[in-house]
Amino acid sequence: DVKVTQSSRYLVKRTGEKVFLECVQDMDHENMFWYRQDPGLGLRLIYFSYDVKMKEKGDIPEGYSVSREKKERFSLILESASTNQTSMYLCASRYRSGNTGELFFGEGSRLTVL
Amino acid sequence: GENVEQHPSTLSVQEGDSAVIKCTYSDSASNYFPWYKQELGKGPQLIIDIRSNVGEKKDQRIAVTLNKTAKHFSLHITETQPEDSAVYFCAAGLGSGTYKYIFGTGTRLKVLA
Repeated sequence: DVKVTQSSRYLVKRTGEKVFLECVQDMDHENMFWYRQDPGLGLRLIYFSYDVKMKEKGDIPEGYSVSREKKERFSLILESASTNQTSMYLCASRYRSGNTGELFFGEGSRLTVL
Repeated sequence: GENVEQHPSTLSVQEGDSAVIKCTYSDSASNYFPWYKQELGKGPQLIIDIRSNVGEKKDQRIAVTLNKTAKHFSLHITETQPEDSAVYFCAAGLGSGTYKYIFGTGTRLKVLA
């Protein structure tokens, strides 16, 4: 059974803190994604990695960075958290590159920045 | 830029009735259109998808139709059941050579028993 695991379901952080969101997939997928989900805005792509050590900016990369040192793990980093980064963060993975194919999502990490 | 509009934002139907959710995309190069269902507390899960060389696809009680000329695609759920209650997202995959899916803003479907 395919699985994408996000390390933290709920986090509360202070403004200015550095935040790490971890995602691990067990499907040997090449592609991994970080999305942000906000009411009325749908899912917006923050960063994408098509392979180990590879990354590309999505639609809203400002204030975020990512790391992919191993194929199964994709980390989202908020260098200095701000209140406008309070949101639900979803990690996803997909087999291969290209413009089709099922995204497998984790259950999400709800971040609150005070 | 690329955009996917999704309507309605909320939809309530009686159990057993049909539900229709509509999406319109802006990029004519889009050629892949998946639909995801997100249940409470879970991540989205693919329920059906369609490619641009097909006009309609059906899987049991769900179907998707695509009108490339109008740049419009729809999800149809027949004989709705309480377990169909969820948030549904449409998406459009841009042309070949890119990884990007543009998601709609979501529709919260409530099936009333």
